[in-house]
Amino acid sequence: DQQVKQNSPSLSVQEGRISILNCDYTNSMFDYFLWYKKYPAEGPTFLISISSIKDKNEDGRFTVFLNKSAKHLSLHIVPSQPGDSAVYFCAATGGGNTGKLIFGQGTTLQVKP
Amino acid sequence: DTAVSQTPKYLVTQMGNDKSIKCEQNLGHDTMYWYKQDSKKFLKIMFSYNNKELIINETVPNRFSPKSPDKAHLNLHINSLELGDSAVYFCASSLAGLSNYEQYFGPGTRLTVT
Repeated sequence: DQQVKQNSPSLSVQEGRISILNCDYTNSMFDYFLWYKKYPAEGPTFLISISSIKDKNEDGRFTVFLNKSAKHLSLHIVPSQPGDSAVYFCAATGGGNTGKLIFGQGTTLQVKP
Repeated sequence: DTAVSQTPKYLVTQMGNDKSIKCEQNLGHDTMYWYKQDSKKFLKIMFSYNNKELIINETVPNRFSPKSPDKAHLNLHINSLELGDSAVYFCASSLAGLSNYEQYFGPGTRLTVT
């Protein structure tokens, strides 16, 4: 039972354009969401997060949108750069103090020069 | 300065062997985790320790045994390795506390069981 899903395994965009990565979840108890970025042969690195009390969080070129009614979040990267080419993981947690994160299966983003 | 380090980076071994993966963090965090990334690329949590106390123990075969000698270290010992154990294992750490969910990951250990 996959509670966090990233239905697009890959995405290719042109440098300078917008990249939109999507994530859906099924557990209504999730109240905090994170995006991680992963380069080959490295561990995931934290990118941006959003609490369920918000619908948008922005950090530079990265913006995460949360639609709780649809149980959907998206990561927008504007403008996309070749260095953004990586695997992006969406993760969710139901709070508490265990820190347990449930990850999606990742979307591979390729930004072409 | 490496924040979360794992050794070894690659591990190739035969079925039935026992192996260990070590993890150390120098971030001063008090919670550490082990994740498994399988062939389908899913990252799934296996264990979590907070101040040397086990707080998350997912449905993992008891051939896997985590050990935390202190809050900066969390090692993973695997007995009687099986082919299905082949995966990339990631260690992570975080600062415990409500509303603090950001985890820092190590570079991963690719385990291949032949």
